[in-house]
Amino acid sequence: NAGVTQTPKFQVLKTGQSMTLQCAQDMNHEYMSWYRQDPGMGLRLIHYSVGAGITDQGEVPNGYNVSRSTTEDFPLRLLSAAPSQTSVYFCASMNSGGTDTQYFGPGTRLTVL
Amino acid sequence: DAKTTQPTSMDCAEGRAANLPCNHSTISGNEYVYWYRQIHSQGPQYIIHGLKNNETNEMASLIITEDRKSSTLILPHATLRDTAVYYCIVRRNTGFQKLVFGTGTRLLVSP
Repeated sequence: NAGVTQTPKFQVLKTGQSMTLQCAQDMNHEYMSWYRQDPGMGLRLIHYSVGAGITDQGEVPNGYNVSRSTTEDFPLRLLSAAPSQTSVYFCASMNSGGTDTQYFGPGTRLTVL
Repeated sequence: DAKTTQPTSMDCAEGRAANLPCNHSTISGNEYVYWYRQIHSQGPQYIIHGLKNNETNEMASLIITEDRKSSTLILPHATLRDTAVYYCIVRRNTGFQKLVFGTGTRLLVSP
């Protein structure tokens, strides 16, 4: 299993540009989520999904959209990038229910100029 | 979900045991204690979790006090590769598993 994969690893955008961060998992996990991590801080939840076709907002959803058309993929869209969105973005997945753990991807480091 | 309190940083000599404390005095009866770590610039990595009994796996041991208000993660023989930020997280085991990350403990293992 590749686990959780994210692309790209690095991205530089100009203010106002849009882009999509890709996330995929091959473990057939129902739950997927996106976190952002700002320098020196813990992770904050952006959006999450409990299954294909179902998404919901986390703590910091503004400026981001998600969709979940398949179990495997959970892309994160930045609609109009702002410097405040400069951060490292992590995607995670896990099985539903119980005490299973979350598995994190390697992250995408985004800089918005 | 219950809030946790951890020291900002700790040091440990290579080969010695690293004992990382966590306070979770408002933990509820159905909440588990989870530990993750994040090595520089990488995604968080699961270490161990427990409800009320002590737990051990190939990475670490978790000691939870009888009143469940605090716990200690033990890395029995710390190596340089254990240098990381360690997060103690408390969460229920039902529904979507949102993880509430604080600032964690920055563990520095030195030769």
